[in-house]
Amino acid sequence: SAVISQKPSRDICQRGTSLTIQCQVDSQVTMMFWYRQQPGQSLTLIATANQGSEATYESGFVIDKFPISRPNLTFSTLTVSNMSPEDSSIYLCSVGEPRNEQFFGPGTRLTVL
Amino acid sequence: AQKVTQAQTEISVVEKEDVTLDCVYETRDTTYYLFWYKQPPSGELVFLIRRNSFDEQNEISGRYSWNFQKSTSSFNFTITASQVVDSAVYFCALSEAFLDSNYQLIWGAGTKLIIKP
Repeated sequence: SAVISQKPSRDICQRGTSLTIQCQVDSQVTMMFWYRQQPGQSLTLIATANQGSEATYESGFVIDKFPISRPNLTFSTLTVSNMSPEDSSIYLCSVGEPRNEQFFGPGTRLTVL
Repeated sequence: AQKVTQAQTEISVVEKEDVTLDCVYETRDTTYYLFWYKQPPSGELVFLIRRNSFDEQNEISGRYSWNFQKSTSSFNFTITASQVVDSAVYFCALSEAFLDSNYQLIWGAGTKLIIKP
């Protein structure tokens, strides 16, 4: 299984600012995923990020609000732009191959004041 | 449409009791994959098991066991002789094979399991 790290582990931000979350994997992977998990809720997929192509966003998520970069097969970033208190969540990155399990990073706990 | 239902929002048992977490799924595909994950209070998601739709054998791993029944579209998870460390939120998830090009997991709402000492 892949080992995944995320930075920062947590942050408290002011509304209107942006935060970039980094996800690093210890091996090359094709597919990376970004999720949001609001308090007490299940996981919601934000987008799928494949290296060399634009991220694919799920319904309700747009690139202007959640721009994603995937410069190589071991790294990705998610930016939460123009934040509001509603963006307070845990943001998780994961990696996986079709039909197989996904492995998750430890998450980034974001609080927006 | 694909869907995963975990009807039990929260379960509370006393340590050493057995407990079963229910998972019911809906899918239009004949080939699919089912998963269970554990999310302890620390927040990190831990993969527990993957099962494909052609393998209906029950799985046992230590105190954990899984009962897959296609006839009832269920993939239930049982913890035997529960321990306080089993306290966590448990998620069931589904992946359909035809979504290869846009692979994603369909998640249940999760069941919060509380084991009291």
